Amino acid sequence: AQTVTQSQPEMSVQEAETVTLSCTYDTSESDYYLFWYKQPPSRQMILVIRQEAYKQQNATENRFSVNFQKAAKSFSLKISDSQLGDAAMYFCAYRSLNSNYQLIWGAGTKLIIKP
Amino acid sequence: DTAVSQTPKYLVTQMGNDKSIKCEQNLGHDTMYWYKQDSKKFLKIMFSYNNKELIINETVPNRFSPKSPDKAHLNLHINSLELGDSAVYFCASSQEGVRTQYFGPGTRLTVL
Repeated sequence: AQTVTQSQPEMSVQEAETVTLSCTYDTSESDYYLFWYKQPPSRQMILVIRQEAYKQQNATENRFSVNFQKAAKSFSLKISDSQLGDAAMYFCAYRSLNSNYQLIWGAGTKLIIKP
Repeated sequence: DTAVSQTPKYLVTQMGNDKSIKCEQNLGHDTMYWYKQDSKKFLKIMFSYNNKELIINETVPNRFSPKSPDKAHLNLHINSLELGDSAVYFCASSQEGVRTQYFGPGTRLTVL
């Protein structure tokens, strides 16, 4: 069975600096999807970025980018120029192409932005 | 033009009561989900449902039942509420083939 591990329960970063959140996963599959979701205090779950495993190029969305290392089964999220509005819980999630549609979730990392 | 909506946003009720949470999506997606997020923020899939099949997480008590009147709605009924049911419940939807799930705002359920 697939598992997703986020080893950092909490991270903090100074406003305007860069922070990297780590995520590792375990799978025997060769094709799958990976996601980062953000949950601010409003509790809304917001998709940040998505990566297809067959794509070698790392996904990027404005200040958010990933470092996808397929062989190492690592999928870290880099946030550049951190803003106060980035403060949230960040969840890494895995989705198999063969699954019954469900996402496998990490435990989350709480990101604190220091002004 | 909310994509995935849930009502109510907050629900406070007594043990033993029966309650429902409604979910609607206007994205034209064919699959909908219910998740439970506990106090430690851990997300647990409860159900996934499309026009072909309902898949139930076997750890979910049968007091919980999803009801889908049509493709755009998946409501969650909970019978005989217990203290441990207190949590935030999220509805989500996706389109088969696209894989990305979009979430509703969540319903905070408090059982007293």
